[in-house]
Amino acid sequence: QGQLVESGGGVVQPGRSLRLSCAASGFTFSNYAMHWVRQAPGKGLEWVAVVSNDGSNKFYADSVKGRFTVSRDNSKNTLFLHMNSPRPDDTAVYYCAALFYCNTSICYVPPADWGQGTLVTVSS
Amino acid sequence: YDLTQPPSVSVSPGQTASITCSGDKLEKKYVSWYQQKAGQSPVLVIYQDSGRPVGIPERFSGSNSGNTATLTISGTQAMDEADYYCQTWDTNSASEVFGGGTKLTVL
Repeated sequence: QGQLVESGGGVVQPGRSLRLSCAASGFTFSNYAMHWVRQAPGKGLEWVAVVSNDGSNKFYADSVKGRFTVSRDNSKNTLFLHMNSPRPDDTAVYYCAALFYCNTSICYVPPADWGQGTLVTVSS
Repeated sequence: YDLTQPPSVSVSPGQTASITCSGDKLEKKYVSWYQQKAGQSPVLVIYQDSGRPVGIPERFSGSNSGNTATLTISGTQAMDEADYYCQTWDTNSASEVFGGGTKLTVL
């Protein structure tokens, strides 16, 4: 079973930027699309973004579109989330995850449990 | 695309708990279920409607028909008390969607 470890969270002022990282190990990282999912304090899970296995396709939730950018470095088995112009309602624990999905020919079962998450607090 | 779950479900130890997840034509999509215990990260308990990951007890099962997917926990134990979330991919909006979550209480 693989492992995902998030880092980079902290307190950030509204309008500043922050970069989150997720280090993957124990599975072939370049085979899997990777996601960011967040959870505001006391709230449910909210999907944020996904990047395809080769980095060529990216999709975002409407709530972060135009402000956040997802990317990956397959040579370093690392996923990133660049948070530009964060707002107080972006305050949440951010998880990286590989979710179940199917393409036209094969289905991918997640190779790792979710990481422990990294807390981002947007506050002045 | 919206997935609707009941906010809470209660069950007695040893009984069967059923948690529903409703969405338009949901049977045409694959549904996953996650368990999240207090203070912990979510854990996948069901994928592809009814698949069970390695290490997940057999008492967890899933189904998906019509507009409703169901997570069933047979012989519920106190350790199963947690929040449960359903999740699917919506092709039209190119986004993953999570249900609002159901708090399972084992009385």
